[in-house]
Amino acid sequence: KAGVTQTPRYLIKTRGQQVTLSCSPISGHRSVSWYQQTPGQGLQFLFEYFSETQRNKGNFPGRFSGRQFSNSRSEMNVSTLELGDSALYLCASSLEPGLAGYNEQFFGPGTRLTVL
Amino acid sequence: AQKITQTQPGMFVQEKEAVTLDCTYDTSDQSYGLFWYKQPSSGEMIFLIYQGSYDEQNATEGRYSLNFQKARKSANLVISASQLGDSAMYFCAMREGMDSSYKLIFGSGTRLLVRP
Repeated sequence: KAGVTQTPRYLIKTRGQQVTLSCSPISGHRSVSWYQQTPGQGLQFLFEYFSETQRNKGNFPGRFSGRQFSNSRSEMNVSTLELGDSALYLCASSLEPGLAGYNEQFFGPGTRLTVL
Repeated sequence: AQKITQTQPGMFVQEKEAVTLDCTYDTSDQSYGLFWYKQPSSGEMIFLIYQGSYDEQNATEGRYSLNFQKARKSANLVISASQLGDSAMYFCAMREGMDSSYKLIFGSGTRLLVRP
């Protein structure tokens, strides 16, 4: 079974631009979560989507947004990029609650975003 | 507020020896889950082990075991027979509200170096 895939793996943008990152979950997984990892703040939860609905959102400004499609693939968008948005963005997928194995959340390889 | 504390920024262990990575947590929920992830230098988060708050027995997965002490709110990871490939960052994480949104709160991590 293929794992979680994220594209692109590396991205360089300049301040003020916007960026879209993509995540394809493991087949059958309907929950997709996004995390930001920086040396200063560590791993922080951005948001979670389940069945095309955002179920939870972390403490990030409105410049960070996301969506999920009917095939469970998810995208996150960051508008008006700032230097501090440079980070590793990780996507994770999981089965829905109630199914065996739903407690495991599997992560993708991440997208490393550099903002110049 | 929910919080995960990992007090060991870095640790060394000799190959083939056992090592314990500390994790304490704070939550007011009765239902929660505790996770350990390994992050090699490549950046991908690898799921290691899970312990539910209602699980009476300590979780084990191969060379990994979780020393769960609920009253002390600790969930230490024990790696037996360390291997060179175990050198990586290790993160403890917690999830509250096990039947709803999938959001993980991470600790700051412990960097483990295995010496030959």
